[in-house]
Amino acid sequence: TQLLEQSPQFLSIQEGENLTVYCNSSSVFSSLQWYRQEPGEGPVLLVTVVTGGEVKKLKRLTFQFGDARKDSSLHITAAQPGDTGLYLCAGAPIPSGNTGKLIFGQGTTLQVKP
Amino acid sequence: NAGVTQTPKFRILKIGQSMTLQCTQDMNHNYMYWYRQDPGMGLKLIYYSVGAGITDKGEVPNGYNVSRSTTEDFPLRLELAAPSQTSVYFCASGTGTDTQYFGPGTRLTVL
Repeated sequence: TQLLEQSPQFLSIQEGENLTVYCNSSSVFSSLQWYRQEPGEGPVLLVTVVTGGEVKKLKRLTFQFGDARKDSSLHITAAQPGDTGLYLCAGAPIPSGNTGKLIFGQGTTLQVKP
Repeated sequence: NAGVTQTPKFRILKIGQSMTLQCTQDMNHNYMYWYRQDPGMGLKLIYYSVGAGITDKGEVPNGYNVSRSTTEDFPLRLELAAPSQTSVYFCASGTGTDTQYFGPGTRLTVL
């Protein structure tokens, strides 16, 4: 069974601080995605990384896919209260059997205090 | 575009009751998924479908059933509700190329 483990599970920081969330596995994934979920809503895709070593930036968010495509990280610079939410990583397993199925990590709850 | 819609938003069931969670998407996606989300557990796949008339079990299918008679609709049926089925249920759709689009969820409590 392929698993994705996220750390930390909970993070409470002050506005302006930097943080990194990790998503690790012993399995290789064809791609890895990061979603953000706000209370009472469904997850919304932030980014997809496909190539080993790939780095993508989305304003103050930096996403990296590990060279071996087994892990990923999300770094937020100068966090703001609007960044508060649940961050989920999700991997496309190999093989996927053309199902589009994703394996989700357990999530990281981020609270940014003003 | 409404995207993925789910009804109801909230529901309280008694043990042993049955209900159907509705999911509709207007993006003409072939692939649809049902997940449950429990605190600290991420999203667990219940059932999925790769096209109308085709469904398959996910990671946690026991106690649930699905059907896919049209591309747009993918209802999830709970028979004989149990307290262990208390959860938030999300429906998602996609093109099969990784990205999934989620509905707003149904919060279900079984007492």
